[in-house]
Amino acid sequence: AQSVTQLGSHVSVSEGALVLLRCNYSSSVPPYLFWYVQYPNQGLQLLLKYTTGATLVKGINGFEAEFKKSETSFHLTKPSAHMSDAAEYFCAVSEGGADGLTFGKGTHLIIQP
Amino acid sequence: EPEVTQTPSHQVTQMGQEVILRCVPISNHLYFYWYRQILGQKVEFLVSFYNNEISEKSEIFDDQFSVERPDGSNFTLKIRSTKLEDSAMYFCASREGTAYGYTFGSGTRLTVV
Repeated sequence: AQSVTQLGSHVSVSEGALVLLRCNYSSSVPPYLFWYVQYPNQGLQLLLKYTTGATLVKGINGFEAEFKKSETSFHLTKPSAHMSDAAEYFCAVSEGGADGLTFGKGTHLIIQP
Repeated sequence: EPEVTQTPSHQVTQMGQEVILRCVPISNHLYFYWYRQILGQKVEFLVSFYNNEISEKSEIFDDQFSVERPDGSNFTLKIRSTKLEDSAMYFCASREGTAYGYTFGSGTRLTVV
């Protein structure tokens, strides 16, 4: 069975600083990996995904993530944080097929002015 | 941009009552899912549905839960006899194929009193 670990339930960065949200996964097969963002009282919005191919994936709002098989990681980064990035971020893994997603516990991103 | 639509946005029900949560997935999507998020906790997979049958379900999805796609557009989650611990945000999701991202609805907040 797959699992996801997100290091840091809360991450605080200054506006304009680098954002790094960590995600490690375990999977018995090559995984499909996803990052979702959730703003207060809203649903989940897909930021980016990795299925196959290029290991560096670019998403919306300037975010990107790199799949590192050797480290079983899929960390999310953004070069320069914006106040509007404040939200809850969830990393998720799927083992393909019709499988549902297994989510991490989420990281609350706080942006300091 | 196509959306997954969930109704109602908020439902309050008495313990022991049956409740039906409704979802309209994106029209050309083939895979359908229900997830739940208890307040302050991570998103948990409940069930996946493909080709008019359940393809996977979690241990949460016990005999109290059922899903149905009664026509070509709706996808419903029924909870037969609600318990206090069923209070959560329920998200519907769909996707076009196995290499695609999951598109989530805005959720139904279920409160069992």
